Amino acid sequence: SQTIHQWPATLVQPVGSPLSLECTVEGTSNPNLYWYRQAAGRGLQLLFYSVGIGQISSEVPQNLSASRPQDRQFILSSKKLLLSDSGFYLCAWKRDYNEQFFGPGTRLTVL
Amino acid sequence: GENVEQHPSTLSVQEGDSAVIKCTYSDSASNYFPWYKQELGKRPQLIIDIRSNVGEKKDQRIAVTLNKTAKHFSLHITETQPEDSAVYFCAASRNSNSGYALNFGKGTSLLVTP
Repeated sequence: SQTIHQWPATLVQPVGSPLSLECTVEGTSNPNLYWYRQAAGRGLQLLFYSVGIGQISSEVPQNLSASRPQDRQFILSSKKLLLSDSGFYLCAWKRDYNEQFFGPGTRLTVL
Repeated sequence: GENVEQHPSTLSVQEGDSAVIKCTYSDSASNYFPWYKQELGKRPQLIIDIRSNVGEKKDQRIAVTLNKTAKHFSLHITETQPEDSAVYFCAASRNSNSGYALNFGKGTSLLVTP
């Protein structure tokens, strides 16, 4: 069966520091992968999606970037974090016919 | 692009009553409509979905209805229990193996009181 992992689970970072969040999927090949951000008590904002290695589409311009160096690995990065980057970051993968499943998430606090 | 509106934003019901959450969408090409339940501090979990070739789907106490002409779909929870308390998100997208992402509503916070 397929599983999706994210790490770290929680992270506290100072403003201006870099960021790297990792997502990996097991048990499937060539998945579509997605990064979402959820601010406290808010909805799900799509940040990036990828249909294959090296292919990244950005939904919202900001100081974040994404990369997909391997088929089942999706990385979210920032060179300099802002206070507004705090939130719950969710990676998701999609299989056929749009059934989409979320990873456990990373809770990021920027101080 | 697709725009999904979800109502109400908060809903409080007594245990045993029914709860209904409604969503509308704008893209007539959308044909896949999932619902997610998110408990506090956890990831959203897919609870039920419907495709445009059916008008209703049921799974125990949960049902979803779809009206493609009016472009709206609803989640119905019967005999609610306190453990149904969570935030529920509807979503819509085209059925494709391309990068079409789910477009989510803003969520409904459901509280079931004993």
